[in-house]
Amino acid sequence: DAMVIQNPRYQVTQFGKPVTLSCSQTLNHNVMYWYQQKSSQAPKLLFHYYDKDFNNEADTPDNFQSRRPNTSFCFLDIRSPGLGDTAMYLCATSSLSRTDTQYFGPGTRLTVL
Amino acid sequence: AQKITQTQPGMFVQEKEAVTLDCTYDTSDPSYGLFWYKQPSSGEMIFLIYQGSYDQQNATEGRYSLNFQKARKSANLVISASQLGDSAMYFCAMRETNYNFNKFYFGSGTKLNVKP
Repeated sequence: DAMVIQNPRYQVTQFGKPVTLSCSQTLNHNVMYWYQQKSSQAPKLLFHYYDKDFNNEADTPDNFQSRRPNTSFCFLDIRSPGLGDTAMYLCATSSLSRTDTQYFGPGTRLTVL
Repeated sequence: AQKITQTQPGMFVQEKEAVTLDCTYDTSDPSYGLFWYKQPSSGEMIFLIYQGSYDQQNATEGRYSLNFQKARKSANLVISASQLGDSAMYFCAMRETNYNFNKFYFGSGTKLNVKP
């Protein structure tokens, strides 16, 4: 089945220790998104890719970076995680169709100690 | 202004009864889409139902229906015959198309608890 996969599902890191989260898709969608979701809150868009074009949200901290080496894969790098970065990180994809939903991965729960 | 407003932080419903989750939106884009997602405690966002701004009829998907009132800018989700497995967080979202991608705006969510 076509899907969006995220690894790892759970990640624990130390304060200040870089961490990378990965996302892959078999849907061949042009657009990939990274969201941060803190407990009991709405998902917050960090950035998105349209093919290889990277688009940062204005309020995304510089601490968050992303790479998309090819259509299928996208990575979220947190260079120096702080305690406030503890959250669920959701990867999603979408086609360019106006009627299509976003397709979400299962998420990575990140805990910064 | 908020793009998507969900005014019910939490709702309770008795098993087998119907429940309505409220959602209002704000946009000047004439072509937009409205979505509802379910998020169980496991964290995965599950797509439930879609309504396009030009759709004349309310969307239905099994036990889910969307009460779309365009003039009032509301898109309420109706779940009929609630089941215990419906207990979850529910998010209303709106899609606007900006240049070359679809941007999705999410409401703050409603936590639904289904009582046996």
